[in-house]
Amino acid sequence: GAVVSQHPSRVICKSGTSVKIECRSLDFQATTMFWYRQFPKQSLMLMATSNEGSKATYEQGVEKDKFLINHASLTLSTLTVTSAHPEDSSFYICSAKPPTGGYEQFFGPGTRLTVL
Amino acid sequence: SQELEQSPQSLIVQEGKNLTINCTSSKTLYGLYWYKQKYGEGLIFLMMLQKGGEEKSHEKITAKLDEKKQQSSLHITASQPSHAGIYLCGAETQGGSEKLVFGKGTKLTVNP
Repeated sequence: GAVVSQHPSRVICKSGTSVKIECRSLDFQATTMFWYRQFPKQSLMLMATSNEGSKATYEQGVEKDKFLINHASLTLSTLTVTSAHPEDSSFYICSAKPPTGGYEQFFGPGTRLTVL
Repeated sequence: SQELEQSPQSLIVQEGKNLTINCTSSKTLYGLYWYKQKYGEGLIFLMMLQKGGEEKSHEKITAKLDEKKQQSSLHITASQPSHAGIYLCGAETQGGSEKLVFGKGTKLTVNP
């Protein structure tokens, strides 16, 4: 099956710094990738839709200047949390859907971000 | 906006027992997805249902979408410790949409 990877799996940073998370589709091309955030005991919340070659589409309430998304190629999307604060600590998961039909979205293993 | 309510929030069963997890939507379901998640890990796709009355099975897991398409159930027969994890239902925000909204999940513990 299709594989989506994320890097890093865990990151700890100081408040005020920026953190970049990579999402890669390893064996398929993904024109669209999705970024989710999951707080403890909460559901996954869609943050934004990342489109290759164009600007990301953000969900209501998600600050686009704080969560920068770059879909540089058909296999890579990055999420940069700028000027991170403790309230940004969360589990970030990306997903991608192969363009060749079907309905299954493949999820990455997630990145645990802790901001001190 | 669409909301998914999962019940129960957590479930502890003895190995070999059957169990059911429910997912109720505030709106009509166009596509209903079931995923399994180990704590702190990504989601593993289990099944997807689209048609009212549809039922799918994978190994010992069966999922159904009710006729009115506002509720789905996930049934595990003869549970095993390997079934332990968090089960999430997700739904398309509108027909054919790739965007998914998720329930809060049901944490399943299977005691040997």
